[in-house]
Amino acid sequence: DVKVTQSSRYLVKRTGEKVFLECVQDMDHENMFWYRQDPGLGLRLIYFSYDVKMKEKGDIPEGYSVSREKKERFSLILESASTNQTSMYLCASSQPQGESFEQYFGPGTRLTVT
Amino acid sequence: GQNIDQPTEMTATEGAIVQINCTYQTSGFNGLFWYQQHAGEAPTFLSYNVLDGLEEKGRFSSFLSRSKGYSYLLLKELQMKDSASYLCAVSRNSGYSTLTFGKGTMLLVSP
Repeated sequence: DVKVTQSSRYLVKRTGEKVFLECVQDMDHENMFWYRQDPGLGLRLIYFSYDVKMKEKGDIPEGYSVSREKKERFSLILESASTNQTSMYLCASSQPQGESFEQYFGPGTRLTVT
Repeated sequence: GQNIDQPTEMTATEGAIVQINCTYQTSGFNGLFWYQQHAGEAPTFLSYNVLDGLEEKGRFSSFLSRSKGYSYLLLKELQMKDSASYLCAVSRNSGYSTLTFGKGTMLLVSP
């Protein structure tokens, strides 16, 4: 079974703090993704990575950065957290586009910025 | 740009059949995914359609018409545990396995 884990289920941070969200997958997947999910807006792609040290911006990268130093680990960084970054953050992984490239999701981190 | 539309909410009765529609407008369309997400949980993969037609998987089936930009998810013999949000997602011929998700359809199954 594919397993994607995220470092925290719930996180509360103050405005201006630097926040790290960690994601680890155990299926040797090439691709990893960070989304945020908000009511009425659905899942939106923040950043993705298709290889170690490679990253691409998604639809809403502003205020975020990412790091992928090892294949199994993909980190999302909020350099200076703001209240509008309060959200559910979901990590996913997949094989490259081909016959079977469905994304497998982690359980999510609910981040509250106060 | 891309546009993916699906109804916000649907209700159905246990044992019934429900069809959740998804329409999309996108350049370089590759295929369409359906995911199920229970409240407070991660989305889980249900189906993937790349060719026109119906794909059946137990109680769930998914249909795609590429020429019409249209897909539906058909759920038969509804059970209470099918109450969840159903997400339609489009993949494009970008060389990457990125997906663009619709806003999801919340399905409530009542006894």
